[in-house]
Amino acid sequence: GDSVTQMEGPVTLSEEAFLTINCTYTATGYPSLFWYVQYPGEGLQLLLKATKADDKGSNKGFEATYRKETTSFHLEKGSVQVSDSAVYFCALSESNQGAQKLVFGQGTRLTINP
Amino acid sequence: DGGITQSPKYLFRKEGQNVTLSCEQNLNHDAMYWYRQDPGQGLRLIYYSQIVNDFQKGDIAEGYSVSREKKESFPLTVTSAQKNPTAFYLCASREQGKGTEAFFGQGTRLTVV
Repeated sequence: GDSVTQMEGPVTLSEEAFLTINCTYTATGYPSLFWYVQYPGEGLQLLLKATKADDKGSNKGFEATYRKETTSFHLEKGSVQVSDSAVYFCALSESNQGAQKLVFGQGTRLTINP
Repeated sequence: DGGITQSPKYLFRKEGQNVTLSCEQNLNHDAMYWYRQDPGQGLRLIYYSQIVNDFQKGDIAEGYSVSREKKESFPLTVTSAQKNPTAFYLCASREQGKGTEAFFGQGTRLTVV
């Protein structure tokens, strides 16, 4: 079945550092790809998405590009802030017309120190 | 305001008891999902539903049951058959179609005492 693999956490950075969180996927067809963010004690919120190869999703300074050739969707931000501390999830949505499962990676906890 | 609401936020259950978690959405979404979140394991799919009166098992359905009698409601029952029910449970909904965003509730933390 479809699956998502994220880099192991936790990740700790200093404010203004460059961030990369790796995400690779296994899927048949052409899934849609997502990054969600979860703050403590809350549900998940969509951060960005891409629906086809070479699409770049972006939001709040975060970016990720859908790379079909490497089956990857790595999350990047040029200069992180303390407020970016959260858990980040990579996810995919199956591309078939029927039941559309949402499959998530295991999450990466990010801590930004001032 | 449109959104998805889970209740209660915290729930305590004695061993051997069934308990039902509520999930309601007013977004007019067809698809609804239940996930379980454990530390370090990400989100695991329990059940999902594409339309009213129809639902499918996810990856960890054993010990759980659901119903979808109304479009806006998708309650999850944790039965006594679930061996390790203590976890954070998340409900989500989304429109049908490619690349649509899932909206999540605030979650219910279930603790077996």
